[in-house]
Amino acid sequence: ELKVEQNPLFLSMQEGKNYTIYCNYSTTSDRLYWYRQDPGKSLESLFVLLSNGAVKQEGRLMASLDTKARLSTLHITAAVHDLSATYFCAVDYWNNAGNMLTFGGGTRLMVKP
Amino acid sequence: SAVISQKPSRDICQRGTSLTIQCQVDSQVTMMFWYRQQPGQSLTLIATANQGSEATYESGFVIDKFPISRPNLTFSTLTVSNMSPEDSSIYLCSVGTSGIGQYFGPGTRLTVT
Repeated sequence: ELKVEQNPLFLSMQEGKNYTIYCNYSTTSDRLYWYRQDPGKSLESLFVLLSNGAVKQEGRLMASLDTKARLSTLHITAAVHDLSATYFCAVDYWNNAGNMLTFGGGTRLMVKP
Repeated sequence: SAVISQKPSRDICQRGTSLTIQCQVDSQVTMMFWYRQQPGQSLTLIATANQGSEATYESGFVIDKFPISRPNLTFSTLTVSNMSPEDSSIYLCSVGTSGIGQYFGPGTRLTVT
């Protein structure tokens, strides 16, 4: 059974600071996705990582994937209040019904002015 | 990307009743997914709905409790049957494929009293 673990689960940080969210998973996969969820809202796709060494950047967020270590990171640079949200990683796997996603527990990020 | 709508957006239901949630996509898709997100938790896959075949349920979810219909390639319904307060959650449908990721509907917020 595929397990996906994120840490930290909760992160409170000051504006302007840098931090990294980690996503570990238990079985082989080379496809990983990051999502953002604002309170009371649905999930918004942030990054699609499809191979070992993949790196994607959008604004103050940068995501990377190391399939050998089964690890993805989401790095936040010079955080701003607008980044406050819950971030989920999700790992792609195959079962009898097709390709599925298993989600990490989520990281609730709070950026303080 | 796909545009997904869900109805209702929220509902408050009495214990023992059933609620049917509709999911409409603006384009034809092969696989549709139903997730549950309990308060403050991550997403858990309930089942995969493929047109023309029975839904495939994940461990811990059964058809009698969560019957699913998939009459065509743009529409699906999820029914939450014989509800109890433990069923209070956000229910999300999604579509997508491996290598692209999944796009999520806005969710249905269900409260069972």
